[in-house]
Amino acid sequence: DVKVTQSSRYLVKRTGEKVFLECVQDMDHENMFWYRQDPGLGLRLIYFSYDVKMKEKGDIPEGYSVSREKKERFSLILESASTNQTSMYLCASSQGQGAGAQHFGDGTRLSIL
Amino acid sequence: GESVGLHLPTLSVQEGDNSIINCAYSNSASDYFIWYKQESGKGPQFIIDIRSNMDKRQGQRVTVLLNKTVKHLSLQIAATQPGDSAVYFCAENGSSYKLIFGSGTRLLVRP
Repeated sequence: DVKVTQSSRYLVKRTGEKVFLECVQDMDHENMFWYRQDPGLGLRLIYFSYDVKMKEKGDIPEGYSVSREKKERFSLILESASTNQTSMYLCASSQGQGAGAQHFGDGTRLSIL
Repeated sequence: GESVGLHLPTLSVQEGDNSIINCAYSNSASDYFIWYKQESGKGPQFIIDIRSNMDKRQGQRVTVLLNKTVKHLSLQIAATQPGDSAVYFCAENGSSYKLIFGSGTRLLVRP
């Protein structure tokens, strides 16, 4: 089975801090994704990457950046955390080209105080 | 933009009954669809997928039906069990590598 591991289940940070969320997948998938999930808004794509060192903006990239230095690892960075970035963050990976089945981690619940 | 929606936000069924969760999609060009299950405190879990060249696909206790004429997707769960209680999402392939997710239906299984 595909295993997508997010480094933290719960995280509390302060406004203005730089926050790193880490994600690792063990199935040699080419594509990796970062979403946030909020009640009533569903899953919204922040950034994705289809190859090492490649990144593409999703639907809500403002206030975020990403890093993919190795194929198995995809990091989400909140440059200067704000309270409206309090959310559940989900990482996913998929295989091959185009839109295929994405496999998710169990999420990081991030609170910005 | 194109979107995926769900008819029913909450579905309550008796344990042992069959469940049907519905989804409408708006992009007639979509050719790949997925159902996910999300339990409380966990990430979405892949259940089953279907491509547009099929109208039915079966898995273990689950069946996905695709009606391209009316752009409708459904997930049928046979002999629903308490462990099936979760939020279910449909998704369709969007542009590039993206999936477009529906807002979800909560399935409650009554003992």
